[in-house]
Amino acid sequence: SYVLTQSPSVSVAPGETARFTCGGNKIGRKSVHWYQQKPGQSPLLVVYDDNDRPSGIPERISGSKSGDTATLSIARVEAGDEADYYCQVWDTATDHRVFGGGTRLTVL
Amino acid sequence: VRLEESGGGLIQPGESLRLSCAVSNFSVSLNSLAWVRQAPGRGLEWVSVLYSGGKTYYSDSVKGRFVISRDDLKNTLFLQMNDLRVEDTAMYFCATEDYDYFANWGQGTLVTVSS
Repeated sequence: SYVLTQSPSVSVAPGETARFTCGGNKIGRKSVHWYQQKPGQSPLLVVYDDNDRPSGIPERISGSKSGDTATLSIARVEAGDEADYYCQVWDTATDHRVFGGGTRLTVL
Repeated sequence: VRLEESGGGLIQPGESLRLSCAVSNFSVSLNSLAWVRQAPGRGLEWVSVLYSGGKTYYSDSVKGRFVISRDDLKNTLFLQMNDLRVEDTAMYFCATEDYDYFANWGQGTLVTVSS
């Protein structure tokens, strides 16, 4: 089965840029989506199709992809950005949807 | 779009439970919907998807035990869970699927499987 690999945690100071990586075999051929989940809340889609943002998501949140790694970046990090961030793809070989293990953002 | 899950609770291993997801401002018959779960303190796990045309897919961990379905008149999505196991304990979310990503989520319903 397809596997997405994320680092367990990222820590940044307010105002800095947080970067979350998501690795997967031939991920360059797949559309990568990102979700933010704050404690006690449902997940929220923040980036879809590698680098598109749903309406209402600020421009300081962006997605990119290079080689076998997708990256979510949050510029000018704020305390309110503390959350778990998950990447997700569609494994067309099985028609299964796959989530990465998630990365917890801590704002120092 | 609003999704509201219900039907969770405490249940013993081996028993069955049916979850419901009432959907507003979004046609369940014309779109794809999915269930995603999250065990306590763990990450998100995709469970199942129901395409508008009726085709269904399941994760390996629930295939053969869970059944996803919908009621077009009630605009409601269901998840029938049979032969529940302790490892099925989780918050279950329903979500709308836009091509292959989850655009809208419900607040979740908690299922606890324990003797």
